[in-house]
Amino acid sequence: DAKTTQPPSMDCAEGRAANLPCNHSTISGNEYVYWYRQIHSQGPQYIIHGLKNNETNEMASLIITEDRKSSTLILPHATLRDTAVYYCIVRVANGNKLVFGAGTILRVKS
Amino acid sequence: ETGVTQTPRHLVMGMTNKKSLKCEQHLGHNAMYWYKQSAKKPLELMFVYNFKEQTENNSVPSRFSPECPNSSHLFLHLHTLQPEDSALYLCASSQAEAYEQYFGPGTRLTVT
Repeated sequence: DAKTTQPPSMDCAEGRAANLPCNHSTISGNEYVYWYRQIHSQGPQYIIHGLKNNETNEMASLIITEDRKSSTLILPHATLRDTAVYYCIVRVANGNKLVFGAGTILRVKS
Repeated sequence: ETGVTQTPRHLVMGMTNKKSLKCEQHLGHNAMYWYKQSAKKPLELMFVYNFKEQTENNSVPSRFSPECPNSSHLFLHLHTLQPEDSALYLCASSQAEAYEQYFGPGTRLTVT
């Protein structure tokens, strides 16, 4: 599975959009981009995933660049409850492994 | 609530004890996973089960023994653990091995 690079931490004002970047320059054609988050002392929570096209669900939007070498997770209106560690993970289509890195600590501040 | 429950939520055990962690999923999934999260470290995959069969053992020491009696239940049997095994143990499930995983709240284990 391709390696991902994320900033160690970010701050965001409550009510504003949080844009979390992820670099995956060695991604292969059959690898998906997954995002999970982990709120303190809880289990990770699935957010969204995508292959090539941008994706949106009730939690977030995922924007993948045309060359697929990077992506951005967007939380449109961040709340204090969105404070968590956000993990960007690349996984092959038929793979069973999620390889977690250090992620980005997002702090939403009032 | 993710549909994945874990018991107990907290466990303190001595190095000579034997204990078991339990995971149950109410999602109708066929794959289940154990992960370990030590302090200041990323989550590490330990075991994967698909339709009750173990498909992945990530070089886990034999003092950790998993059991999957059916697709809804997963156990992690612990014996003669070391203090460095103290960690958050997380269970997850997915529809199949390649699908998104749903995690339980974890068991915080302390080995004294």
